[in-house]
Amino acid sequence: GQQVMQIPQYQHVQEGEDFTTYCNSSTTLSNIQWYKQRPGGHPVFLIQLVKSGEVKKQKRLTFQFGEAKKNSSLHITATQTTDVGTYFCAGRSGGSYIPTFGRGTSLIVHP
Amino acid sequence: KAGVTQTPRYLIKTRGQQVTLSCSPISGHRSVSWYQQTPGQGLQFLFEYFSETQRNKGNFPGRFSGRQFSNSRSEMNVSTLELGDSALYLCASSAGTGEYEQYFGPGTRLTVT
Repeated sequence: GQQVMQIPQYQHVQEGEDFTTYCNSSTTLSNIQWYKQRPGGHPVFLIQLVKSGEVKKQKRLTFQFGEAKKNSSLHITATQTTDVGTYFCAGRSGGSYIPTFGRGTSLIVHP
Repeated sequence: KAGVTQTPRYLIKTRGQQVTLSCSPISGHRSVSWYQQTPGQGLQFLFEYFSETQRNKGNFPGRFSGRQFSNSRSEMNVSTLELGDSALYLCASSAGTGEYEQYFGPGTRLTVT
């Protein structure tokens, strides 16, 4: 079945440093979504990528979808303490409506 | 619009019992999906309902079942609870199936003793 690997599992950064999390799928994806879950909270939708090579930005967050539509990344510039949480990717492969979530990357920001 | 609501928020049950969890989606959303979240397995898809029909099902035993009502509210039932069923159960609503963003509820924290 489809697998989505997400790395790293944890990332400690000093406030102001950059952060990147990566997702790799075993199959070609039709789309990939990114979610953020704060400690004790629930996943919150951030963005969806659909096109090959797509790049989208939200303030300090940059999302990329690979040319082969098998990988994606989320990059945060100049992290802030409000960025703390676990970032999940969720991919759907062609013809499947079932999303496969990565295990998430927990971001810890030290002030 | 009001967000997704789930009840109860916390639940403690004994092995062998059964439990029913409830989810009210965002007004106008017709798709409701259920997920199990555990530290060991992460977020795992249970099933999705759209217009009262189960559209998709994840790889969970038959003890896990659900249904959706005509007002799009959904319930999930777990029978013969096992210790391993302890988890955060999340409900997510979306406007449709497939390429739609999902809006998650706060979850129900189930502890099985």
